[in-house]
Amino acid sequence: DADVTQTPRNRITKTGKRIMLECSQTKGHDRMYWYRQDPGLGLRLIYYSFDVKDINKGEISDGYSVSRQAQAKFSLSLESAIPNQTALYFCATSSGTLFFTGELFFGEGSRLTVL
Amino acid sequence: QKEVEQNSGPLSVPEGAIASLNCTYSDRGSQSFFWYRQYSGKSPELIMFIYSNGDKEDGRFTAQLNKASQYVSLLIRDSQPSDSATYLCAVTPSGGSYIPTFGRGTSLIVHP
Repeated sequence: DADVTQTPRNRITKTGKRIMLECSQTKGHDRMYWYRQDPGLGLRLIYYSFDVKDINKGEISDGYSVSRQAQAKFSLSLESAIPNQTALYFCATSSGTLFFTGELFFGEGSRLTVL
Repeated sequence: QKEVEQNSGPLSVPEGAIASLNCTYSDRGSQSFFWYRQYSGKSPELIMFIYSNGDKEDGRFTAQLNKASQYVSLLIRDSQPSDSATYLCAVTPSGGSYIPTFGRGTSLIVHP
């Protein structure tokens, strides 16, 4: 089983619908992130959380919200999806310990299409 | 805005050649530098990281860092078709947050 699991892996929805992407991890990491990837634009940070009570906006948070339900779970919501939110979404984790290297561990991705 | 710049490519090299991938960054205080490989439709995976000026070698991969020039590169020796992927450069900024900023990636094609 993957250490970082995202559900759903693929989703097609319509404009205006509410969508939730879920992420769970078994790595025991405190830090979790949501990134969006569009062709030619690389990975852009949407939200990040350093622990259950710490949630922060990234560079492109408008139109998104998150919930950190537990150390191992971090969900991304689109309250009212729009077509330009069509993208590949990645959840990632990293350690925040003394031996932290900055390395991110990614989930397999959730491909979202908004019609 | 702290930026990480990469040539999008594609960079095309013959099998067995050395592939050279380059990355520049704008934050002079950047602390850590990473190269991730991403196959089409898959998630990024870390292949190299470097903190100090100079070279770091791991098998066929060498990362090179020059902080004075704000430049980091990845060399792949004896390139194989299986190396064909997009290579993402990531840089963690000054300030201690350790949240990496990614470049847009360079597409590498290794042809037989």
